[in-house]
Amino acid sequence: SQTIHQWPATLVQPVGSPLSLECTVEGTSNPNLYWYRQAAGRGLQLLFYSVGIGQISSEVPQNLSASRPQDRQFILSSKKLLLSDSGFYLCAWSSGTPYEQYFGPGTRLTVT
Amino acid sequence: GNSVTQMEGPVTLSEEAFLTINCTYTATGYPSLFWYVQYPGEGLQLLLKATKADDKGSNKGFEATYRKETTSFHLEKGSVQVSDSAVYFCALLPNYGGSQGNLIFGKGTKLSVKP
Repeated sequence: SQTIHQWPATLVQPVGSPLSLECTVEGTSNPNLYWYRQAAGRGLQLLFYSVGIGQISSEVPQNLSASRPQDRQFILSSKKLLLSDSGFYLCAWSSGTPYEQYFGPGTRLTVT
Repeated sequence: GNSVTQMEGPVTLSEEAFLTINCTYTATGYPSLFWYVQYPGEGLQLLLKATKADDKGSNKGFEATYRKETTSFHLEKGSVQVSDSAVYFCALLPNYGGSQGNLIFGKGTKLSVKP
């Protein structure tokens, strides 16, 4: 069966510090991968998606970036965090049709 | 464009009450429709889905019917439990080439069930 992991589970970082969040998927090959952000009390905002290694599409211009160095690994990064980057970051994967997405447990990021 | 509109919460019910969470959508063609549930502090879990008109998705006592004529996918449960307290998201997947499987989510409806 497929599983999806995210780490760290929680993170507290000062403004201006770098960020690296990791997501890995097991039990499937060549999945589509997604990064979402969920701000407090709000819905989900799609940040990036990837259909293959090295292929990244950005949905929202911002100070975040994503990379996919391996088939089942998806990384979210920032060089300098802003207060507005605080939120709950969710990674998801999908494969085949009808493309339902399966989510990881999330990372709670607090920028202070 | 494509969009999903959910009833605003929070919704507060007593245990064993009947639940309806409204969801309507705007899309071209025949999208697939989904309900996800998010328990406190966790990621989203797929609750149920429907891929064509008149399909009924069901899981864990929850049901939703894909109504093309009213562009709706309302979530229902006959008797809620305290353990159903969560945030519920309606989502659609546009049915056209090149969509890359990008779901479009509603803003979520928070449900609180009191004993």
